[in-house]
Amino acid sequence: DAGVIQSPRHEVTEMGQEVTLRCKPISGHDYLFWYRQTMMRGLELLIYFNNNVPIDDSGMPEDRFSAKMPNASFSTLKIQPSEPRDSAVYFCASGASGGGRTDTQYFGPGTRLTVL
Amino acid sequence: AQSVSQHNHHVILSEAASLELGCNYSYGGTVNLFWYVQYPGQHLQLLLKYFSGDPLVKGIKGFEAEFIKSKFSFNLRKPSVQWSDTAEYFCAVNARGNNRLAFGKGNQVVVIP
Repeated sequence: DAGVIQSPRHEVTEMGQEVTLRCKPISGHDYLFWYRQTMMRGLELLIYFNNNVPIDDSGMPEDRFSAKMPNASFSTLKIQPSEPRDSAVYFCASGASGGGRTDTQYFGPGTRLTVL
Repeated sequence: AQSVSQHNHHVILSEAASLELGCNYSYGGTVNLFWYVQYPGQHLQLLLKYFSGDPLVKGIKGFEAEFIKSKFSFNLRKPSVQWSDTAEYFCAVNARGNNRLAFGKGNQVVVIP
């Protein structure tokens, strides 16, 4: 299995630009999670989906952030407009359900975002 | 909501030394517990997990962790580290039946050859 795939691996953009991060979960997994990792705050859950439906987006920092999952094999996290404080590593993770929940999450390699 | 505390963010030790990383969580109910490892330049990988049963869990690469319910702890141990264990280690917790995984801030471990 290829594991969770994320693209791009690195993104450098200027403040005010739109940024789109992409994720392909492990085939057969029905949960997908987006995390952000910073030195100050560590790893934070932004949003997660179950069967392509957003379940909990309480971690999304503000309206500039949006996430979609149009099908079981693809999700995007969009930041519009981007700001320097959005600079972080963004991880996508997926998991398989068991009893209506997922236990183990499998992480992608992350996208390192730098907003100048 | 549950929270996770990891102390001694930076740990430096020599090869063959023993390693113990502390993890404490705050949640009164039943939990699932995890340790993830992030090697330099790589993504998070599952090291070991505890759901139920024997509180002493053995994971990959010689790591083990012990769940002590009374202390709300899930400390990670390895009796003899190698240079290749240089990595950042994250403890994570989710309440049973809840998909939100709470991570600690991580322990940056450097093993000197």
